[in-house]
Amino acid sequence: DQQVKQNSPSLSVQEGRISILNCDYTNSMFDYFLWYKKYPAEGPTFLISISSIKDKNEDGRFTVFLNKSAKHLSLHIVPSQPGDSAVYFCAAREGSTGNQFYFGTGTSLTVIP
Amino acid sequence: EAQVTQNPRYLITVTGKKLTVTCSQNMNHEYMSWYRQDPGLGLRQIYYSMNVEVTDKGDVPEGYKVSRKEKRNFPLILESPSPNQTSLYFCASSRSGVLLNSPLHFGNGTRLTVT
Repeated sequence: DQQVKQNSPSLSVQEGRISILNCDYTNSMFDYFLWYKKYPAEGPTFLISISSIKDKNEDGRFTVFLNKSAKHLSLHIVPSQPGDSAVYFCAAREGSTGNQFYFGTGTSLTVIP
Repeated sequence: EAQVTQNPRYLITVTGKKLTVTCSQNMNHEYMSWYRQDPGLGLRQIYYSMNVEVTDKGDVPEGYKVSRKEKRNFPLILESPSPNQTSLYFCASSRSGVLLNSPLHFGNGTRLTVT
């Protein structure tokens, strides 16, 4: 059973606009959430993370929001650039027990010049 | 350069022929892990290791073995590969499996085909 879900397989956005990628999770024991970016023929690259004690974390053009009551995570990219075109995975860690990381199925973002 | 190195990048083999995919990291990371990526299923964890000589099963461990004799190396062993193990495999490491703010760093992947 998928504990981390990304329900949008793909997203297209105009250059300069905001990209919003969404992620839902089911396990209330998750304590650490991450976003990864993946280009073809490469491994996933860490983008940004947030711990469960926060509700927002910013790093340049990237902001991650965490809504624990809704078990929902989102990544905002502002402004979007063509180089942002990639597959984005959200991930969550259950640190209290097995220290496993769980990943969503990914969202393919295309930024149109 | 800090990195996770997997070898080989591509591997084609036949059913039943034992193989090993190597993984090495040069960041002195305690935590290492193996994932497989399949269409529509995302990344699924096979095995992970909290430190030397400490390994545990992930979500899809059947048909795989691992060992962690040294901190830097975490090989993935398929004793008798089958076609359903055809997949894209990623090794990853992080500074700690316990501390927050300890993201995973991934290798570039190994594409395995079992015929």
